[in-house]
Amino acid sequence: NAGVTQTPKFRILKIGQSMTLQCTQDMNHNYMYWYRQDPGMGLKLIYYSVGAGITDKGEVPNGYNVSRSTTEDFPLRLELAAPSQTSVYFCASSYPTGQETQYFGPGTRLLVL
Amino acid sequence: AQTVTQSQPEMSVQEAETVTLSCTYDTSESDYYLFWYKQPPSRQMILVIRQEAYKQQNATENRFSVNFQKAAKSFSLKISDSQLGDAAMYFCAVQHNNNDMRFGAGTRLTVKP
Repeated sequence: NAGVTQTPKFRILKIGQSMTLQCTQDMNHNYMYWYRQDPGMGLKLIYYSVGAGITDKGEVPNGYNVSRSTTEDFPLRLELAAPSQTSVYFCASSYPTGQETQYFGPGTRLLVL
Repeated sequence: AQTVTQSQPEMSVQEAETVTLSCTYDTSESDYYLFWYKQPPSRQMILVIRQEAYKQQNATENRFSVNFQKAAKSFSLKISDSQLGDAAMYFCAVQHNNNDMRFGAGTRLTVKP
């Protein structure tokens, strides 16, 4: 199993551009999460999903959108990139109740200039 | 609001010795889960140890153990027989039933040979 994979690994965006961060897991986990990690800080939850078609906001959802059309994929969309969204983004998944261990992807480093 | 505080931004330990990393948290919930994650320079988030708040017995994983004091809302991590490979950022996290996991700001652990 590949576990949780994220693409791209690194991206530079200009202010106002949009992009989608991809996340895929092959463990058949129903719970999936998106976090951001700012320099010198811990992770903050952006959005999470408890299953296909169901998503909910976390601590810092503003400026982001998500969708969950399949169990495996949980893309994160940035519509109008801002410098404040410069961060490292982590996707994670867990099973079955959401209280189990979260398995993290390798992260996507995003720089908005 | 849930908050997680790691009061030691940096810690240092001699190889083969023992070190304890501190974590305190604030919550009004009675049922929650506590985690310590390790983040090496590769940025990969790796689970070190997990504790259910309803369990009085402290969790142990090989050289890693916790001291969970529910009344004091304290969850410290003890690393015994420290190894060079233990050098990393360590994050304490608390997760409630609503799937909202909150992380501390982290403690950078250096292991001296």
